[in-house]
Amino acid sequence: ETGVTQSPTHLIKTRGQQVTLRCSSQSGHNTVSWYQQALGQGPQFIFQYYREEENGRGNFPPRFSGLQFPNYSSELNVNALELDDSALYLCASSSQGTGANVLTFGAGSRLTVL
Amino acid sequence: EDQVTQSPEALRLQEGESSSLNCSYTVSGLRGLFWYRQDPGKGPEFLFTLYSAGEEKEKERLKATLTKKESFLHITAPKPEDSATYLCAVQAWGGGADGLTFGKGTHLIIQP
Repeated sequence: ETGVTQSPTHLIKTRGQQVTLRCSSQSGHNTVSWYQQALGQGPQFIFQYYREEENGRGNFPPRFSGLQFPNYSSELNVNALELDDSALYLCASSSQGTGANVLTFGAGSRLTVL
Repeated sequence: EDQVTQSPEALRLQEGESSSLNCSYTVSGLRGLFWYRQDPGKGPEFLFTLYSAGEEKEKERLKATLTKKESFLHITAPKPEDSATYLCAVQAWGGGADGLTFGKGTHLIIQP
């Protein structure tokens, strides 16, 4: 059983640029969510995708957008990067159900914005 | 708005010295309370889900308990490999977002 894999592991961008982060879900999972974790903080929910549609969003502006593909892999896109976007971006997969969803996290993509 | 507060922020213990980590929460309707472990440079690793007050779960040296306002993660006779950041999170019923609300975590160091 493969886990959640993310790419790239590290990247550096400058303010105003755009970035795309990628995630492959764990086998058997149909839901993907993305979290932002600033240094010394807990992860913050960005959004969730199920059946290729966004079905939940946290308190993040529209310049944070995403996609989910038919194979349940996902992308996170961030436009007009700001210095405060520097963080570890975590992808998590789960199986949509009626109970609380146990998330399986990837190792993250560390984004530095200069 | 759902909130999670963890204490202490950091804890240093000697190997074998038992202790507890606290997670206080406010949520509109609790769907689940989660404990995760996070090692440096890695994503969070799932430990436990608790659903209702009075529930307890155990795994090796860890035991999680839940009341209507807080959860405790008890660590018994810890070993150096238990050193990590322990994150608590809640998921609420209803609303448009199914995301978890995390606390800032407790950074635990177990000294040999």
